[in-house]
Amino acid sequence: AQTVTQSQPEMSVQEAETVTLSCTYDTSENNYYLFWYKQPPSRQMILVIRQEAYKQQNATENRFSVNFQKAAKSFSLKISDSQLGDTAMYFCAFMNYGGSQGNLIFGKGTKLSVKP
Amino acid sequence: NAGVTQTPKFRVLKTGQSMTLLCAQDMNHEYMYWYRQDPGMGLRLIHYSVGEGTTAKGEVPDGYNVSRLKKQNFLLGLESAAPSQTSVYFCASSYPLGGSGRRGNEQFFGPGTRLTVL
Repeated sequence: AQTVTQSQPEMSVQEAETVTLSCTYDTSENNYYLFWYKQPPSRQMILVIRQEAYKQQNATENRFSVNFQKAAKSFSLKISDSQLGDTAMYFCAFMNYGGSQGNLIFGKGTKLSVKP
Repeated sequence: NAGVTQTPKFRVLKTGQSMTLLCAQDMNHEYMYWYRQDPGMGLRLIHYSVGEGTTAKGEVPDGYNVSRLKKQNFLLGLESAAPSQTSVYFCASSYPLGGSGRRGNEQFFGPGTRLTVL
C-alpha cells in the first residue's frame, strides 16, 4: 500500500521569503503522479502543482516549484516570494496511474503561516 | 459552469439518524469520489465510482453507502449516524486516468460538507 508522509506539521515564513515543504512517499509502483494541494481557511481544495513520475524535469507553476527525487521518493514544494494569501494547509498527494480508481492518497498536511 | 457542488454545506445529526449528502458535477466527468477529512489528517477515500451505475469501496467505507444513478450525481448515505462520523466530507470528480490529455489525472473538489453527529 502507498503511504505519504509530511514531517512538518506547521511552518512559518516571512512575506517575500522562500519556504520549502517536505513530502516523502512509499510505493512499489513505477507509474504514478504526485500533487500538492492547498487548503485555505475557506476549506476549498486547490491544486497547486503536479508531477508525473516518468518526467525527470521538475514541475513549476509561477512561484511554486517542486524538487522531485524519484529514487529517494521525495517530493518537496518550494514557494518563492511568499505572499499572505499563501497561508493555508498544504497537502502532498499520490496517485497510482496503474490503478483503475485514480484516487488520491494524502499526507496529513503542513500548516503554513505567512507573516507580514 | 458550477464545477462540483455539495449539498448541504453544514448538518448536525443525532446518533442513529440518517441522511444523504449530494454531490453534483457539470463537467461530464466519469470518475467521482467521496473523501472524509478529520482533524490532523489528510483526506481519506470512502467510496468512489468510475462510471454511472458503478460504485466501489475505498479506504474507510464502513457505515456509508453510495449510489451513482446519474453520471452527474454521486450520493453518500449514512444509514445510522455515529459520533465517529463527525467530519468534513469532500466530493471530487475527474476524467478517467489518461483521458482528456494532461487533465486526465486532475481531481476537482467540491467545497465540503461539515457534519456533526451528537
